[in-house]
Amino acid sequence: DAGVTQSPTHLIKTRGQHVTLRCSPISGHKSVSWYQQVLGQGPQFIFQYYEKEERGRGNFPDRFSARQFPNYSSELNVNALLLGDSALYLCASSRDDLGNTIYFGEGSWLTVV
Amino acid sequence: QKEVEQNSGPLSVPEGAIASLNCTYSDRGSQSFFWYRQYSGKSPELIMFIYSNGDKEDGRFTAQLNKASQYVSLLIRDSQPSDSATYLCAVNRATGGFKTIFGAGTRLFVKA
Repeated sequence: DAGVTQSPTHLIKTRGQHVTLRCSPISGHKSVSWYQQVLGQGPQFIFQYYEKEERGRGNFPDRFSARQFPNYSSELNVNALLLGDSALYLCASSRDDLGNTIYFGEGSWLTVV
Repeated sequence: QKEVEQNSGPLSVPEGAIASLNCTYSDRGSQSFFWYRQYSGKSPELIMFIYSNGDKEDGRFTAQLNKASQYVSLLIRDSQPSDSATYLCAVNRATGGFKTIFGAGTRLFVKA
């Protein structure tokens, strides 16, 4: 079975632009979480979605938004990009939203110039 | 106070030694505890999870949980150079909805 898949793998954007990152969870998993990881730090929780509903939101500005589709895939959108948004964006999936193990995709490396 | 705290290291141990990695957490309502390994430039991969107080062993890895002390640890026996990585402690807390929170990670170097 395929693991968590993310796209794109790498991308470069200019300040002020918008970016959309995509994630497909492990087959059978209904929950998707998004994390931001800046170099030298642990992953920071951005959002969790389960059955298309937002179940958790971290301390990120409103420029960050996400959604989950009927097939449980998910998108993370970031508007008005800042240099500080440069990071590895990780998607993780789990069976449900009850604290089960989360499994990560390979991540999307975003560079804002 | 950070929700999940780890010593950033680096922790350096010789090949064949035991590496001991520690983690404390602040939310007493936390129920699930995880250790992930992250190689440079890669995404985190799950090593172990533990839910109950005590020890849990899986090969060369042993996770230890003490909920009263809000303390989780990971022991790596017979450390190998390939174990050199950053180890992330993660806690799934129930307060405000289940979500998995990560520490900053401990860098481990195993010297051949």
